[in-house]
Amino acid sequence: DQQVKQNSPSLSVQEGRISILNCDYTNSMFDYFLWYKKYPAEGPTFLISISSIKDKNEDGRFTVFLNKSAKHLSLHIVPSQPGDSAVYFCAASFYNYGQNFVFGPGTRLSVLP
Amino acid sequence: ETGVTQSPTHLIKTRGQQVTLRCSSQSGHNTVSWYQQALGQGPQFIFQYYREEENGRGNFPPRFSGLQFPNYSSELNVNALELDDSALYLCASSLKGPAGGRRNEQFFGPGTRLTVL
Repeated sequence: DQQVKQNSPSLSVQEGRISILNCDYTNSMFDYFLWYKKYPAEGPTFLISISSIKDKNEDGRFTVFLNKSAKHLSLHIVPSQPGDSAVYFCAASFYNYGQNFVFGPGTRLSVLP
Repeated sequence: ETGVTQSPTHLIKTRGQQVTLRCSSQSGHNTVSWYQQALGQGPQFIFQYYREEENGRGNFPPRFSGLQFPNYSSELNVNALELDDSALYLCASSLKGPAGGRRNEQFFGPGTRLTVL
């Protein structure tokens, strides 16, 4: 039973356009969400996070939106660059779970020049 | 500041054997978590070590065990290997504050690719 879902295994976007990656979760106890980016042969690297007390968090070209009622979050990348091509994982946590996260299966983003 | 390192990079074992994977945490970090990432899936939490004690465990059988050393490095041991244990094993380090402190992001190593034949 997947608690964190990323229903799009892959996404292709033209350079300079917006990339939108989606994530859904089922456990209403989750109160902290993160996005990680992973290049081949490297470990995941932290990108951006959001607490459930917020509905938006922005960091440069990256913005994460949280819709708690829909149990949905999304990552927007504007503008998309070829170096953004990677696998993006959505992860969720709740306070009693400590610092450990439940990861989604990932979405492979390809930014085309 | 050195990042998280893992060894070995790749490993091939046969079913029934035992394996030990190693992780050196990032400088200044006191907590290590281990994840298993099967092909096409996201990382799945195995367990976490904080101050040399297990501090949370995912849905993995007891043949998955670990250690954390005084220098905060860590080992993951898997006994009686099964074919389904073939995966990328990721180690992540973080700095855990006082009880109730805020959660910090985890810094991942590059992983050890384990193949069980």
